[in-house]
Amino acid sequence: GAGVSQSPRYKVAKRGQDVALRCDPISGHVSLFWYQQALGQGPEFLTYFQNEAQLDKSGLPSDRFFAERPEGSVSTLKIQRTQQEDSAVYLCASSLMSGSNEQYFGPGTRLTVT
Amino acid sequence: GENVEQHPSTLSVQEGDSAVIKCTYSDSASNYFPWYKQELGKRPQLIIDIRSNVGEKKDQRIAVTLNKTAKHFSLHITETQPEDSAVYFCAASVEYGNKLVFGAGTILRVKS
Repeated sequence: GAGVSQSPRYKVAKRGQDVALRCDPISGHVSLFWYQQALGQGPEFLTYFQNEAQLDKSGLPSDRFFAERPEGSVSTLKIQRTQQEDSAVYLCASSLMSGSNEQYFGPGTRLTVT
Repeated sequence: GENVEQHPSTLSVQEGDSAVIKCTYSDSASNYFPWYKQELGKRPQLIIDIRSNVGEKKDQRIAVTLNKTAKHFSLHITETQPEDSAVYFCAASVEYGNKLVFGAGTILRVKS
């Protein structure tokens, strides 16, 4: 079946612009995660949803970052007033249910802030 | 919180040789340890995982071992092939929330 998809795949934003990144998880997957991957580093946790509930947002680096999943499927990560340090690949992952640990990743959105 | 250290950062092996990548973790509550392979510009792909109730798991040329007492786990790739060349990440998670804490990655180069 279809895997996790993300759009756009590449985004260039001028500093100060707002961006919205979309994640379509695997159909039926309850849990959804966002990670940030800087160049040459491992992914770092940002936030986690179980269905539409955001259960953990401890990894969001500032209040400029906001994520939502209003109907428990598609999720959007929004970054307001982008800064150069926001440049990274933003990865979305989904898993079948809480307690089912296997996470399947999307291809990521590469954000470049100029 | 959890901290995962991964070594080495780069590893070059000759085709057909074995490769071993090691990780340590800090939180004794962690109970799930996946390994991901990431090719340049691609998504991380789960290649093998282990839960804390077992010490070893094997899948063809890939094996993972876990030492809960020492809080370390390792990835073993035997009979390496050029297509094994990629960045490998270890990760750890505790039960609640299932968020993964990743190591910094190992660049594996298999020379033919």
